[in-house]
Amino acid sequence: DQQVKQNSPSLSVQEGRISILNCDYTNSMFDYFLWYKKYPAEGPTFLISISSIKDKNEDGRFTVFLNKSAKHLSLHIVPSQPGDSAVYFCAASENQAGTALIFGKGTTLSVSS
Amino acid sequence: ETGVTQTPRHLVMGMTNKKSLKCEQHLGHNAMYWYKQSAKKPLELMFVYSLEERVENNSVPSRFSPECPNSSHLFLHLHTLQPEDSALYLCASSQEFGGTNYGYTFGSGTRLTVV
Repeated sequence: DQQVKQNSPSLSVQEGRISILNCDYTNSMFDYFLWYKKYPAEGPTFLISISSIKDKNEDGRFTVFLNKSAKHLSLHIVPSQPGDSAVYFCAASENQAGTALIFGKGTTLSVSS
Repeated sequence: ETGVTQTPRHLVMGMTNKKSLKCEQHLGHNAMYWYKQSAKKPLELMFVYSLEERVENNSVPSRFSPECPNSSHLFLHLHTLQPEDSALYLCASSQEFGGTNYGYTFGSGTRLTVV
């Protein structure tokens, strides 16, 4: 059973608009969340993270929101750019020694100019 | 250059072949991982090594055999694979296994095709 779910396999957005990628999780022990970005023929690269003591973390055009009660997080990209077109993976962990990151299936974002 | 190097980038092998995937990191990280990415599936954790000791094996078939000779190198030995094992195999490293997760550094992966 998947502990990290990204229910939208793909998302298409116009350049300049907001992209919102969603992620749900089932394990209430998760308290650290990350987003990774992956281009074709490359490995995933770390984008942004948030710990459970916060509900928002911002880094430039990227903002991650966490709703612990709903076990939901989202990544907002504003404004979206064609170079943002990639696969975005949500990942979670219990942030304690001896636990690995659990990833979702990924959402493919396409930003058109 | 990501800091984690995987070779080969592409591999085609028959079901009776034996091959090995190699991963190398010079980031001073103490933990290394093998993940499998199949189409329309989450990244699946296969093996974890922390300080060169295997600490996690997620029910992976014995036809996959990992080896970590030192903290900088990780191998995945492949033997008598099945076509359904065709996937992208990703190596990653992190400062520690768990604890304060600053994120993993991934290699570019090996695209494996079993024929």
